[in-house]
Amino acid sequence: GEDVEQSLFLSVREGDSSVINCTYTDSSSTYLYWYKQEPGAGLQLLTYIFSNMDMKQDQRLTVLLNKKDKHLSLRIADTQTGDSAIYFCAEIRPSGNTPLVFGKGTRLSVIA
Amino acid sequence: DGGITQSPKYLFRKEGQNVTLSCEQNLNHDAMYWYRQDPGQGLRLIYYSQIVNDFQKGDIAEGYSVSREKKESFPLTVTSAQKNPTAFYLCASSYDGTGNQPQHFGDGTRLSIL
Repeated sequence: GEDVEQSLFLSVREGDSSVINCTYTDSSSTYLYWYKQEPGAGLQLLTYIFSNMDMKQDQRLTVLLNKKDKHLSLRIADTQTGDSAIYFCAEIRPSGNTPLVFGKGTRLSVIA
Repeated sequence: DGGITQSPKYLFRKEGQNVTLSCEQNLNHDAMYWYRQDPGQGLRLIYYSQIVNDFQKGDIAEGYSVSREKKESFPLTVTSAQKNPTAFYLCASSYDGTGNQPQHFGDGTRLSIL
């Protein structure tokens, strides 16, 4: 199937905002998810957005959804060193044999 | 606390040997999943099960087998037919298999070849 696309690396300074971008493929996706993976660990659900929403804010996290361009972004305000991790976006594929399809992940490095 | 437990955390396999990775959940979730993660890659689905006694192949099922005899348990066997088994294996579960409920992940098992 078609890929969910993410840039592989992002480096920011502590205290700045981070923006991680994702392009998905299935316009019928009902939910889109953001997961965080710290070294040697599983994936932790960060946040998600329903497809009829344009924006969702949860403390330091802001998710923006542009359905026309099939573009999803995750903004982390006041980025901290503890935010260093790999971030995956994922989309539902209702018609495929893989219920949830993940991007390759964006490795966020926070410089103190 | 509810959650997903994968064991062991590290596993070593000899050539020609089958090994089984354990995944248990106490979240009362109907659906369970196995993913493989390689360095610099996203997650690739091996098998998933939406209900007890039923499972479907994902994108990379060859060389793997699963069973779902109990709701809480979804073990994955890496058979000798899997020629490149070295990877990080992640198990997940969700309330149902529609995708409208988020998947929750265990901490993974890292499999290496001796």
